[in-house]
Amino acid sequence: GAGVSQSPSNKVTEKGKDVELRCDPISGHTALYWYRQSLGQGLEFLIYFQGNSAPDKSGLPSDRFSAERTGGSVSTLTIQRTQQEDSAVYLCASSSPRDGQALYQETQYFGPGTRLLVL
Amino acid sequence: AQKVTQAQTEISVVEKEDVTLDCVYETRDTTYYLFWYKQPPSGELVFLIRRNSFDEQNEISGRYSWNFQKSTSSFNFTITASQVVDSAVYFCALTRYYNAGGTSYGKLTFGQGTILTVHP
Repeated sequence: GAGVSQSPSNKVTEKGKDVELRCDPISGHTALYWYRQSLGQGLEFLIYFQGNSAPDKSGLPSDRFSAERTGGSVSTLTIQRTQQEDSAVYLCASSSPRDGQALYQETQYFGPGTRLLVL
Repeated sequence: AQKVTQAQTEISVVEKEDVTLDCVYETRDTTYYLFWYKQPPSGELVFLIRRNSFDEQNEISGRYSWNFQKSTSSFNFTITASQVVDSAVYFCALTRYYNAGGTSYGKLTFGQGTILTVHP
C-alpha cells in the first residue's frame, strides 16, 4: 500500500483478555517500529524489527507484551492479560535506508494507530 | 540519555497569525537527527521535516519554517499566516545512531507535544 496501515482502528476489551494489534508497513520497508502513546507517558518506543528479527525490544513494558513480524512485512503486537494501564494508542512506523544512508538517518513513517481501551 | 522538551503545552491563535512552536533537546551525541511531526485529529503522525546535527541552515517550505540552533539546542518551528487546518498536535523528536543485531537504526525520543488550535 501507499502508507502504513494498522488494524483495528479501535479496540475495546475487558481486563484480563488478550489482544492482537496488526501493522502493515510501507511495501519494501525493512525496518518496523512500534510506539505507544499514552496520556501519562507521551510517545514512547516499544520495539524495533529489522526483517523478521527484533534486535531491540527494550521498550516493551512487561512480559505480557510480545511482537512478531513475518515475511519481512506484517507485524503483530500481542498484549496478554490486558490491564487498564495498557490503554493507549499503539503506533507503528516503518522506514528503509536509501543508497548510502544508514537506517538511523531515515524518516520513520507512521500509521494511524490502534486506540486500545481496557475496561 | 536524550531528552526533548516542548514547553508549550497548548497554543491558541486566530487565523492568519504567525505562531512559533518551541523545541529544546538534550543529547551527548555529536551526530543526531531532529524531526517535526504533525498529529491531526485523525491520529496519524505526519512527517514534516528532518534535520541532521551538522546542518544548521534554516529552512522554509511554504508557510512553514524551521530554525535550528545548535548553540542553544533548539529546533523551533514557525507557521506563517496560520490556517484552521493547521490545528493539530505537533511533536518534536530526536534520534541518534543505535546498533543492535548488526544493523544501525534510530528510535525516536519525542517531546510531549504542543496542541495548536487555530480559530477562524
